[in-house]
Amino acid sequence: EPEVTQTPSHQVTQMGQEVILRCVPISNHLYFYWYRQILGQKVEFLVSFYNNEISEKSEIFDDQFSVERPDGSNFTLKIRSTKLEDSAMYFCASSEYRDRVSEQYFGPGTRLTVT
Amino acid sequence: GESVGLHLPTLSVQEGDNSIINCAYSNSASDYFIWYKQESGKGPQFIIDIRSNMDKRQGQRVTVLLNKTVKHLSLQIAATQPGDSAVYFCAESPNSGYSTLTFGKGTMLLVSP
Repeated sequence: EPEVTQTPSHQVTQMGQEVILRCVPISNHLYFYWYRQILGQKVEFLVSFYNNEISEKSEIFDDQFSVERPDGSNFTLKIRSTKLEDSAMYFCASSEYRDRVSEQYFGPGTRLTVT
Repeated sequence: GESVGLHLPTLSVQEGDNSIINCAYSNSASDYFIWYKQESGKGPQFIIDIRSNMDKRQGQRVTVLLNKTVKHLSLQIAATQPGDSAVYFCAESPNSGYSTLTFGKGTMLLVSP
């Protein structure tokens, strides 16, 4: 069964450093998403991406964040200058269709720890 | 702001019992609801969904009930198994064609053999 993969599984970084979280969506999917989950809290939508541009973004997704599809398989989330409050699980998801919310497939997540 | 929430943070059941996980929502404009399962170390996994024009939907061993009058959503799991142990989230979307979701906090389901 195809699945979304994410690397690394755990990233530790110092405050102020840049991090890039990587995702490989399911190969025939066209829509890509990032979510985050601060420990013990709700999953929160960050951004959706289609056709090489951002479709929607939340208030959380400020100028410190950027997304990119650098090639035909990877989808990345970059945080330019990490803050302590960026520590969270970051989930990538992909879907074949935009309108079928139920068909978003989530990756296992990257745990980001900012020290 | 309006939000989705859960009544019970932890539910412990015996293997073979039926489980009921509840969720309250406050956005009357919500049109579409999803239940997710999240096992330890994994991302959310879709279980079942329901639209606001329905009050019940059944899947394999799972049933979702929607009571729009009291803005309440529940997930029923029949014959609960140890493999059902996980955190269960409800999520809502005000527009079924919309790709963003608002998630609830989650309920931990613990199934004892």
